[in-house]
Amino acid sequence: QSVLTQPPSVSGAPGQKVTISCTGTRSNIGASYDVHWYQQFPGTAPKLLIFRNNNRPSGVPDRFSGSKSATAAYLDITGLQAEDEAEYYCQSYDSSLSNWVFGGGTKLTVL
Amino acid sequence: QVQLVQSGAEVKEPGASVRVSCKASGYTFTSYYIHWVRQAPGQGPEWMGIINPNGGAPTYAQKFQGRVILTRDTATSTVYLELNNLKNEDTAFYYCARKELEGPGWFDPWGQGTLVSVSS
Repeated sequence: QSVLTQPPSVSGAPGQKVTISCTGTRSNIGASYDVHWYQQFPGTAPKLLIFRNNNRPSGVPDRFSGSKSATAAYLDITGLQAEDEAEYYCQSYDSSLSNWVFGGGTKLTVL
Repeated sequence: QVQLVQSGAEVKEPGASVRVSCKASGYTFTSYYIHWVRQAPGQGPEWMGIINPNGGAPTYAQKFQGRVILTRDTATSTVYLELNNLKNEDTAFYYCARKELEGPGWFDPWGQGTLVSVSS
């Protein structure tokens, strides 16, 4: 059971937009800790996709964007491409646990 | 470029110990903390602990307290994860990842991962 809650799967057709949610609590996202997103392909390590809620590392296409509200964060992917098919994880920090915490992951399928 | 290279896959029996290494390059080793994270098959990542290569006591997730030891060797820019009293449910990929300087931060980059399989 992950501390941050993500939908197990989302899907969309090429060119469409999908949104992946990440729901937390008052001790992590709700405590104003930043949320970061990672992309993981089968058999490889997670790779940083979005840091500090809405910032892209160099090399990440601007089709990927992040946002954050009170106790949730969102990853938007516009103009879906087949190569976006992967697992996506959110991550933050939890002050009650004194732990870095992750979501359980969302599998994106491009139809 | 910044790179973390981990040791190879391990197969262990229950009750044994395993040590995984993570060699850093491309930056000043002592300037950035290193996390250890594991990921069981089909599961999300799980944080295990963090070490400051510049010294000081590591911090461990409560779940692994008493079973995990993080160490570092500044001469070779390498950090080590030792997990003792292995159980079948410890079968997972183990990753090291660099922590950003300010605040709790994010994980970037990650090592390539080390598969630890525990089975009798």
